[in-house]
Amino acid sequence: DAGVIQSPRHEVTEMGQEVTLRCKPISGHDYLFWYRQTMMRGLELLIYFNNNVPIDDSGMPEDRFSAKMPNASFSTLKIQPSEPRDSAVYFCASSLGGVHTQYFGPGTRLTVL
Amino acid sequence: GENVEQHPSTLSVQEGDSAVIKCTYSDSASNYFPWYKQELGKRPQLIIDIRSNVGEKKDQRIAVTLNKTAKHFSLHITETQPEDSAVYFCAASIAGNQFYFGTGTSLTVIP
Repeated sequence: DAGVIQSPRHEVTEMGQEVTLRCKPISGHDYLFWYRQTMMRGLELLIYFNNNVPIDDSGMPEDRFSAKMPNASFSTLKIQPSEPRDSAVYFCASSLGGVHTQYFGPGTRLTVL
Repeated sequence: GENVEQHPSTLSVQEGDSAVIKCTYSDSASNYFPWYKQELGKRPQLIIDIRSNVGEKKDQRIAVTLNKTAKHFSLHITETQPEDSAVYFCAASIAGNQFYFGTGTSLTVIP
């Protein structure tokens, strides 16, 4: 299996632009998680899905952030408009339901100028 | 919700010595406790996990202990090697879905 796939790996954009991050979970996994990692705040859970349905989005910082999972093999995290404080590494992870390991993707390093 | 605290935030040991990282959690309903290792610029990767019905688990030089009464769990690395240098994260999970991560421990193994 290829593991969790994320794209792009690096994104540099200017303040005010829309940013879309993409994730393909491991085939057969029914949970998908989006995390943000910064030096100051560590690993923060933004949102997670079960069977393509958002379960908990209480970690989404504000209305500028939105996430979708149109099918079992694809999810997006969108930031519109982006701000410099959104600069971070965004990880996607997936797991096979219940008490199971989460497998992380390689991350997207976002820089907002 | 759950609150996970992790100590220390940084740890330096001499090669060959042992390293211990401790985490506490607040919700007694937590039942799954994974540990992740993150090397610089890489993704977090699971190194060991323990479930609430087990008190200790070992995998070669790595072990994890769980004290449910005190609500704390620890990672033990013996015979440390330079390649053990990384940031280690503990996590606690209620009902096995959402992970609550600790703030991480940066371990440096000095050759």
